[in-house]
Amino acid sequence: QQQVKQSPQSLIVQKGGIPIINCAYENTAFDYFPWYQQFPGKGPALLIAIRPDVSEKKEGRFTISFNKSAKQFSLHIMDSQPGDSATYFCAVLSGGYQKVTFGTGTKLQVIP
Amino acid sequence: NAGVMQNPRHLVRRRGQEARLRCSPMKGHSHVYWYRQLPEEGLKFMVYLQKENIIDESGMPKERFSAEFPKEGPSILRIQQVVRGDSAAYFCASSPPTGADEQFFGPGTRLTVL
Repeated sequence: QQQVKQSPQSLIVQKGGIPIINCAYENTAFDYFPWYQQFPGKGPALLIAIRPDVSEKKEGRFTISFNKSAKQFSLHIMDSQPGDSATYFCAVLSGGYQKVTFGTGTKLQVIP
Repeated sequence: NAGVMQNPRHLVRRRGQEARLRCSPMKGHSHVYWYRQLPEEGLKFMVYLQKENIIDESGMPKERFSAEFPKEGPSILRIQQVVRGDSAAYFCASSPPTGADEQFFGPGTRLTVL
């Protein structure tokens, strides 16, 4: 079964726009929600992460919004730049050890 | 402090051959994870290892795949008798022994089976 559902599959925005990527999960045991950024030919890199005790976290131009009751979380990229063009994966982890379950990915293109 | 290292970066094998993928974790990291990424898909967990122990191999195919993380040297993901469906990018990640949540990923090995 798919434990994390991610949407949209692809996204095109103009420079300066605010792309939003959404993820929904089912298992309430998950307690760590990271977002990874992956450029072509590279491994994923941790971008930002949140725990369920807060509803929002900002780091630079990246913001995670978390809705525990709805079991959803989203990534917002403020003032997007062409260099943000990459594939973004949400993920979930549960305590004990750190097996990461990834979403299916969103391919973002920021056009100048 | 070097990051996670994987080699080779690209590997071409013919059907029926063996593929060996190597992963050197970050310095001080004793937890290693292997993931597989098919084209245009997300990463799928394969196996989680600590030094000399396989902790969770629930994502590993039952046949032809094996993994090890010896006391000395890199972690090895071994695929015997490769088939075309094994063509994918294989990523290794490592984390420290303190139970931190973040995993650091290597650049991956892209396996092509002809």
